[in-house]
Amino acid sequence: ETGVTQTPRHLVMGMTNKKSLKCEQHLGHNAMYWYKQSAKKPLELMFVYNFKEQTENNSVPSRFSPECPNSSHLFLHLHTLQPEDSALYLCASSQDLFIGPRGAYNEQFFGPGTRLTVL
Amino acid sequence: EDQVTQSPEALRLQEGESSSLNCSYTVSGLRGLFWYRQDPGKGPEFLFTLYSAGEEKEKERLKATLTKKESFLHITAPKPEDSATYLCAVQARNQGGKLIFGQGTELSVKP
Repeated sequence: ETGVTQTPRHLVMGMTNKKSLKCEQHLGHNAMYWYKQSAKKPLELMFVYNFKEQTENNSVPSRFSPECPNSSHLFLHLHTLQPEDSALYLCASSQDLFIGPRGAYNEQFFGPGTRLTVL
Repeated sequence: EDQVTQSPEALRLQEGESSSLNCSYTVSGLRGLFWYRQDPGKGPEFLFTLYSAGEEKEKERLKATLTKKESFLHITAPKPEDSATYLCAVQARNQGGKLIFGQGTELSVKP
């Protein structure tokens, strides 16, 4: 496996279900991210992890619970979701959070996403 | 408030018809501006990073430029395989690793 992988690719769940999304990066990066992409809307950052520590929670409802056991793996645990939570959930990683003084780049590499449908 | 606006929302070109996509931004201290390409059903694919006004980057038929207020993605003699949604994002100095994305420009190139 190379790059950033996400499983499952598609998920349909009821509002009372509990499910988890998994992301794995094979790039040796230190930072990982969860994004939500809804139709015709900009990508919306949900969570940021740097060296396994959460550095940003972008006012995400508690029915979304992230977990980062190590720098290579990121999970998004889902419970009691609403139909409006249906979207493409994207995981990304970058070498670091910041661009260094010599211009070291920190572009984010994205996985293919999980298409989530909440019934 | 940091903001990114892309125009047009959609662009239809004939093969070989060159054009430009625009990304206007307001941000309190630009750390970097990023261009991504996204194909249907896939995650965004990184294209370029631009750090300072006057900088230019090229890749095949694509050329990205940056000023203090906007960035352009120039597409020269596009081919149908260039059809995709092009996303622009900025990172501000006081926002950690957060990228602020525009809504994207959906490009369609007809043969």
